[in-house]
Amino acid sequence: EAQVTQNPRYLITVTGKKLTVTCSQNMNHEYMSWYRQDPGLGLRQIYYSMNVEVTDKGDVPEGYKVSRKEKRNFPLILESPSPNQTSLYFCASSLSLAVSSYEQYFGPGTRLTVT
Amino acid sequence: GENVEQHPSTLSVQEGDSAVIKCTYSDSASNYFPWYKQELGKRPQLIIDIRSNVGEKKDQRIAVTLNKTAKHFSLHITETQPEDSAVYFCAATSSLNDYKLSFGAGTTVTVRA
Repeated sequence: EAQVTQNPRYLITVTGKKLTVTCSQNMNHEYMSWYRQDPGLGLRQIYYSMNVEVTDKGDVPEGYKVSRKEKRNFPLILESPSPNQTSLYFCASSLSLAVSSYEQYFGPGTRLTVT
Repeated sequence: GENVEQHPSTLSVQEGDSAVIKCTYSDSASNYFPWYKQELGKRPQLIIDIRSNVGEKKDQRIAVTLNKTAKHFSLHITETQPEDSAVYFCAATSSLNDYKLSFGAGTTVTVRA
């Protein structure tokens, strides 16, 4: 089954404790992206990757890191989480390098709470 | 960068009536406008999209219209049904940076039986 998976689905952590949210897709997609969803703000792009070892900042990259060492995986790293990073996070992938060419498929989401 | 504004933030309609959501964008180079539907507790899913060389697109009960001059596009849902209750997001991407998708804040649609 073609899918985007994220782990963990729910996470409660404390300020400053490094964490990683994994994202994996089995569709051989080149483009992957991370979004955060907050009430009243919609989906905001954090980082995106056009291919292996090629990443770029989205609209809200501060406090986050990403890596793309393999085509299928695109982990999101919070080196020192803060309460304002409490949010619902979505990973997405698309076949094409160009967003407008193909649909983005979203993962199931990760609910992160930082206390 | 692109700025997408979406209105209204909430919309309640009687089953069978129509629902209209409007979005405006700031970047005149924007050329792709998808709409995503997110049911409660679920992931966003693409329901319809339109490109800048087309003025209108329909898919059964949903349609999207685009006015490039005014820089706005709208989602129309006709004959609404309870399963249309969800949060709807519009988005836009610019031909100058085709790797970034900017979303609106979302519209929560409730269809009353």
